[in-house]
Amino acid sequence: AQSVTQPDIHITVSEGASLELRCNYSYGATPYLFWYVQSPGQGLQLLLKYFSGDTLVQGIKGFEAEFKRSQSSFNLRKPSVHWSDAAEYFCAVGAVGSQGNLIFGKGTKLSVKP
Amino acid sequence: DTAVSQTPKYLVTQMGNDKSIKCEQNLGHDTMYWYKQDSKKFLKIMFSYNNKELIINETVPNRFSPKSPDKAHLNLHINSLELGDSAVYFCASSQTSGGWETQYFGPGTRLLVL
Repeated sequence: AQSVTQPDIHITVSEGASLELRCNYSYGATPYLFWYVQSPGQGLQLLLKYFSGDTLVQGIKGFEAEFKRSQSSFNLRKPSVHWSDAAEYFCAVGAVGSQGNLIFGKGTKLSVKP
Repeated sequence: DTAVSQTPKYLVTQMGNDKSIKCEQNLGHDTMYWYKQDSKKFLKIMFSYNNKELIINETVPNRFSPKSPDKAHLNLHINSLELGDSAVYFCASSQTSGGWETQYFGPGTRLLVL
């Protein structure tokens, strides 16, 4: 069965520091991979996704993620965090033929120190 | 214009009541979803409709009944509400039901059962 693990429940970084949020997935083939962000009291917004091609994916708000098949990982990175990046981040996997069924990780809460 | 809208935004009700949540999307998408986010922020799909037809029906109590009167609307009716139904319910839509599709989320309906 597919699953997504986000090992870090809560991360705090200083404004201007770099960020890496970890995501590992379990799936027999190459899945479709997504990162969504949820600001407090809001719905989810797509940051970026991967389904083929270049393993380094660029997204909105200066985020990027790298798909590493050998490590079953899809970690999210940002070189310099802004206070407005404080939010909950969800990694998700969608399988081939899944009929749109996304499996979400449990999320990582990002706090930003001034 | 809001792409995916839900009403109401907040819903406080007593155990045993019946309530409905409405969702509308103006993106012209074929597929719509209902997700439940529990108190620990874990997101799990409940239902998915494609062109008004049910395509995903996860293990959800039959007290929950989705209805799609047309492609742009997907409503969720809940009978005999229980304390454990307290959660945030998100509606989402995507162009098609493919696993690679970006899902666009509504702002959520916060349901509290007393």
